[in-house]
Amino acid sequence: GQQLNQSPQSMFIQEGEDVSMNCTSSSIFNTWLWYKQDPGEGPVLLIALYKAGELTSNGRLTAQFGITRKDSFLNISASIPSDVGIYFCAGQPLGQGAQKLVFGQGTRLTINP
Amino acid sequence: DADVTQTPRNRITKTGKRIMLECSQTKGHDRMYWYRQDPGLGLRLIYYSFDVKDINKGEISDGYSVSRQAQAKFSLSLESAIPNQTALYFCATSDSMTSGVGETQYFGPGTRLLVL
Repeated sequence: GQQLNQSPQSMFIQEGEDVSMNCTSSSIFNTWLWYKQDPGEGPVLLIALYKAGELTSNGRLTAQFGITRKDSFLNISASIPSDVGIYFCAGQPLGQGAQKLVFGQGTRLTINP
Repeated sequence: DADVTQTPRNRITKTGKRIMLECSQTKGHDRMYWYRQDPGLGLRLIYYSFDVKDINKGEISDGYSVSRQAQAKFSLSLESAIPNQTALYFCATSDSMTSGVGETQYFGPGTRLLVL
């Protein structure tokens, strides 16, 4: 089935650093979603993007829907310890229904104090 | 209070046993989903339901069955559990009324299942 390429797979950073991760696809998507998953919990929606070129912020988080509709990035500024977790991108392929949400494999973020 | 709840949160069972995982939601959404998460593989769709009378297979439905008892309830059953069904299981919901703008799925806290 379709897959998203999410990178990097893991990141080890110092507290206060900025973080950047991205997802790419070989096909066009009409929705991009970014989730965060804490240990033992379900994914929590961070940002939803519905239009090509859309740039959306949620506090220290910023995400963009790529112009080509085949990619998206998530940036975290001035990281803090509670940012630790796994970040997932998810996309809805063009012409597919909501059940066709495709997930990336996740980026595991570790922060050294 | 959580909008999407799952019970149990943790379950240990033996090979061959039948078990049921339950999901309830108070979001008023019409669409519900069951996913499985394995390390390094992300989330994979098992079954989904767009309303009470609608049940559809997802990417990995073999060995599983579901029941949509009401708009707010969607249960997942393993008829005869096997060790490779050990995984994290997540329920999710979405609202079809938002599909024109962009439909977003909201997840429950998950059930950790261990099949011995």
